[in-house]
Amino acid sequence: NAGVTQTPKFQVLKTGQSMTLQCAQDMNHEYMSWYRQDPGMGLRLIHYSVGAGITDQGEVPNGYNVSRSTTEDFPLRLLSAAPSQTSVYFCASSRTSGRGGLDNEQFFGPGTRLTVL
Amino acid sequence: AQKVTQAQTEISVVEKEDVTLDCVYETRDTTYYLFWYKQPPSGELVFLIRRNSFDEQNEISGRYSWNFQKSTSSFNFTITASQVVDSAVYFCALSARSNYQLIWGAGTKLIIKP
Repeated sequence: NAGVTQTPKFQVLKTGQSMTLQCAQDMNHEYMSWYRQDPGMGLRLIHYSVGAGITDQGEVPNGYNVSRSTTEDFPLRLLSAAPSQTSVYFCASSRTSGRGGLDNEQFFGPGTRLTVL
Repeated sequence: AQKVTQAQTEISVVEKEDVTLDCVYETRDTTYYLFWYKQPPSGELVFLIRRNSFDEQNEISGRYSWNFQKSTSSFNFTITASQVVDSAVYFCALSARSNYQLIWGAGTKLIIKP
């Protein structure tokens, strides 16, 4: 059981480049999400998904796209990287009870440290 | 709108002291879920506890205890007899039943000195 995996661990981009951060989970969780963590701040939700084919925006979605074609995978695409997107990115997954809200713990990947020059 | 406030940016104590980390939340939902996570220097996020809004029982797990008070919208975390290995950033987070978003506090950096 690998849990939540993220690739790459580190990435350096130039302004304007695009890239995809990969996230996969093998726990058959319905819910998956992407966060960014900046110094001195908590995690901020970028996008989330409650199941294959369903995605929605979080607090800070601008500049990012997601898709969820399978239960296992939830890639995050940076369309045109900007220095403001320099951050650590975490992917997470969890079960949902179906009653609404996140009522179970989230399992996190190890994070991707992204630097945009 | 939901909000989580962790007013203590950094706390430094000497080993074996007790320490309490504060968490104050805001939500209009009557059903919600509160969480604490730990982020050690290695960077991973470790789940500590989940509490439902309709369960105000306090919880103790070894040296860790949590005090949930709906009247003051607080969910405080106490470490008894702190150890150096407790040094980490601790986050409080909130999810309301009306949505699927987990809102995080800014975190409290806890430094335990030997």
